[in-house]
Amino acid sequence: DIQMTQSPSVLSASVGDRVTLNCKASQNINKYLNWYQQKLGEAPKLLIYNTNNLQTGIPSRFSGSGSGTDYTLTISSLQPEDVATYFCFQHNSWLTFGSGTKLEIK
Amino acid sequence: QVQLQQSGAELAKPGSSVKISCKASGYTFTSYYISWIKQTTGQGLEYIGYINTGSGGTNYNEKFKGKATLTVDKSSSTAFMQLSSLTPDDSAVYYCARKVPPMDAWGQGASVTVSS
Repeated sequence: DIQMTQSPSVLSASVGDRVTLNCKASQNINKYLNWYQQKLGEAPKLLIYNTNNLQTGIPSRFSGSGSGTDYTLTISSLQPEDVATYFCFQHNSWLTFGSGTKLEIK
Repeated sequence: QVQLQQSGAELAKPGSSVKISCKASGYTFTSYYISWIKQTTGQGLEYIGYINTGSGGTNYNEKFKGKATLTVDKSSSTAFMQLSSLTPDDSAVYYCARKVPPMDAWGQGASVTVSS
């Protein structure tokens, strides 16, 4: 099974900061990587699919990049409503989630 | 708009079974697979499996074979997941989601608590 490791597990940043969340796969996942945002008490929400494709309706401050085993979600200017846990998800070989990064506002 | 409406919270005894429903609206039900995902505080998010809503064909995570059974009722645009031989480790929030990836719409989640 492919293991997905996210870092950091908790990230604290200020409003307006550029924020970078990381996701590392245990083997090459050929850019089959999605990002989900989960706010407290809600279901996960698709942000980015296949590494860098922004889901309809998602603000353009969210972007994704990466290749091989290393992937990144970037928020260009952190907003208060971005407080959430972010999960990466690979669908190259079966389907597995990362353990999440909890994003907080300083 | 696309909506997936799940059934309510369940309290079940060890050894019993529960059946969770996921009713779709706002799109053609048989055009997209339905995925099922388990979320616990300890294990995070785990992908259980998916069902082809047109054919009824299924594919399960090895870990959930024998535990979860996925079915659909096309007449009511509803997907179901039955969990059997429940143990406390099955206590979790269970989500249905549209498509295999990229799971672009999710139900609100159904809480299952297994306790004697």
